[in-house]
Amino acid sequence: GNSVTQMEGPVTLSEEAFLTINCTYTATGYPSLFWYVQYPGEGLQLLLKATKADDKGSNKGFEATYRKETTSFHLEKGSVQVSDSAVYFCVLNAGGTSYGKLTFGQGTILTVHP
Amino acid sequence: GAGVSQSPSNKVTEKGKDVELRCDPISGHTALYWYRQSLGQGLEFLIYFQGNSAPDKSGLPSDRFSAERTGGSVSTLTIQRTQQEDSAVYLCASSLGESGQETQYFGPGTRLLVL
Repeated sequence: GNSVTQMEGPVTLSEEAFLTINCTYTATGYPSLFWYVQYPGEGLQLLLKATKADDKGSNKGFEATYRKETTSFHLEKGSVQVSDSAVYFCVLNAGGTSYGKLTFGQGTILTVHP
Repeated sequence: GAGVSQSPSNKVTEKGKDVELRCDPISGHTALYWYRQSLGQGLEFLIYFQGNSAPDKSGLPSDRFSAERTGGSVSTLTIQRTQQEDSAVYLCASSLGESGQETQYFGPGTRLLVL
């Protein structure tokens, strides 16, 4: 079946530090990959996405590259801010017989201190 | 509205009671999804609608759970005879319905607490 494995949290960083949250997946076919973010007290928001191998998704200074050879979609940001404190979910949509059914990683809590 | 809306935002109920949770998708989105977010299980798929039909109900945890969608718009998730393990945040999402791998847009969720 389809699955997503995310780096265990929580992750605590100082402002302006470099961020990496690792994500690997298992899926049949050619899935689309997403990072969603959940800020405190808010719903899930799409952060970025990639729909095919070697695509790079980017938004708000965050980037992730779809690596089919390593089945990975790691999230990176060069300089985090306090406002980036949130829970980050790596998400897979395999399509096909799993039409529309998102598979979520367990989430990584990020806290950024001033 | 501009986004997916859900009501109520919070619901407290007693064990054994029935509850109804409502979702209004983004206008024009033909696909609608329900998910559950709980501490022990993370985020789980429950059911998917294309128009008023539900091609995939595979995530519904028991026959106490049911959902319907009318007019290709509003959806209601009903939990009968609630149990304490039903306590969770219930999330609704919608998408254009043009492909199975498109972006899903989430509502703020309904936080359900069963006492």
